[in-house]
Amino acid sequence: SQQGEEDPQALSIQEGENATMNCSYKTSINNLQWYRQNSGRGLVHLILIRSNEREKHSGRLRVTLDTSKKSSSLLITASRAADTASYFCATDAGNNNDMRFGAGTRLTVKP
Amino acid sequence: DAMVIQNPRYQVTQFGKPVTLSCSQTLNHNVMYWYQQKSSQAPKLLFHYYDKDFNNEADTPDNFQSRRPNTSFCFLDIRSPGLGDAAMYLCATGDFTNEKLFFGSGTQLSVL
Repeated sequence: SQQGEEDPQALSIQEGENATMNCSYKTSINNLQWYRQNSGRGLVHLILIRSNEREKHSGRLRVTLDTSKKSSSLLITASRAADTASYFCATDAGNNNDMRFGAGTRLTVKP
Repeated sequence: DAMVIQNPRYQVTQFGKPVTLSCSQTLNHNVMYWYQQKSSQAPKLLFHYYDKDFNNEADTPDNFQSRRPNTSFCFLDIRSPGLGDAAMYLCATGDFTNEKLFFGSGTQLSVL
């Protein structure tokens, strides 16, 4: 079963703009991770945030986590056409090493 | 260098004909995962191994089986593929911390 939902399902912006994607999940987590997937390829890990963290930065990426609302957001600043991809959150819900993915946001960055 | 390798990249099978997808890793990770991903959907966890311990998701059909003969290799067997099993199958690995998964490029399965 999937862990949660992401919104928006699709997002289209111009190069240089910021993109914000949201993820909600259902159960308690140890950590939450964001992945990127180019069309027809495997997923690539972007960033991890632990359940006791509220915000994390990596380059142009900023992730927030609100465990009281069971939600996370991924912000990509100064977007580039090469950022066009699908973005998924994934959660480690327990001690069983199972990693489940949210529904994903399809981001299109227009040059 | 590819660290998680899936073969083949594209697989075509006939309705009801057993098919095996393979995954190998050079990372020596404890955990190996199989996900099914249909068009424009999220990857759906089918099962995973922690070392030799097999963990099946409750809603994974019995038609799907897996084998992990050693640390490096993991196989997905679909005993009687139906049209609804056409999808991208993704293999991933992770260490015991579960803080980062490494994915292969996937096998796109078509069922005719």
